[in-house]
Amino acid sequence: GESVGLHLPTLSVQEGDNSIINCAYSNSASDYFIWYKQESGKGPQFIIDIRSNMDKRQGQRVTVLLNKTVKHLSLQIAATQPGDSAVYFCAAANQAGTALIFGKGTTLSVSS
Amino acid sequence: GAVVSQHPSWVICKSGTSVKIECRSLDFQATTMFWYRQFPKQSLMLMATSNEGSKATYEQGVEKDKFLINHASLTLSTLTVTSAHPEDSSFYICSASQPQNYGYTFGSGTRLTVV
Repeated sequence: GESVGLHLPTLSVQEGDNSIINCAYSNSASDYFIWYKQESGKGPQFIIDIRSNMDKRQGQRVTVLLNKTVKHLSLQIAATQPGDSAVYFCAAANQAGTALIFGKGTTLSVSS
Repeated sequence: GAVVSQHPSWVICKSGTSVKIECRSLDFQATTMFWYRQFPKQSLMLMATSNEGSKATYEQGVEKDKFLINHASLTLSTLTVTSAHPEDSSFYICSASQPQNYGYTFGSGTRLTVV
């Protein structure tokens, strides 16, 4: 079955630095990927998504890179701010509307 | 944008009692909803997939008789934790999908504490 994992459980950065959070997935049939941010006691908050027919997508201060060859996904956050401190999850789905499978999560800590 | 309302946000119940959690899509019809459970400092684990008008599909290891899911309308799915025990204490989160645009909308979660 599908499994999604992250490489590092924690990441500590200084305010203003760029952050990179990585994720690997196992199912080559995965078609859709999302990065979520979760703050304590709250539901996941959508950050950015990418479909398998793309290898890069940019949002405001965030970029997602997808390498289907090695089944690897990354989230880049530019000019990281204290408000970015949270747990970040990657999630993957085989096709539209099917269940998202979540990775283990990386806790990002931003110090000022 | 799409909104999913989940209630209650937190609940404390006594061991042996049942608790119902509601997940409602406010401005769209959700033919499919998903229920997740999240233990402290862990990821979201898929419990079941709920399709309107049919029986839910449970993930391996999830007891269907303990976690009753009802999806009787296009805007409401409920999860009932029956005969709750302290080990059922967790954060439960629902999600509704909009396949036409790859959208997934999450509820705000329910913190269940069984004492």
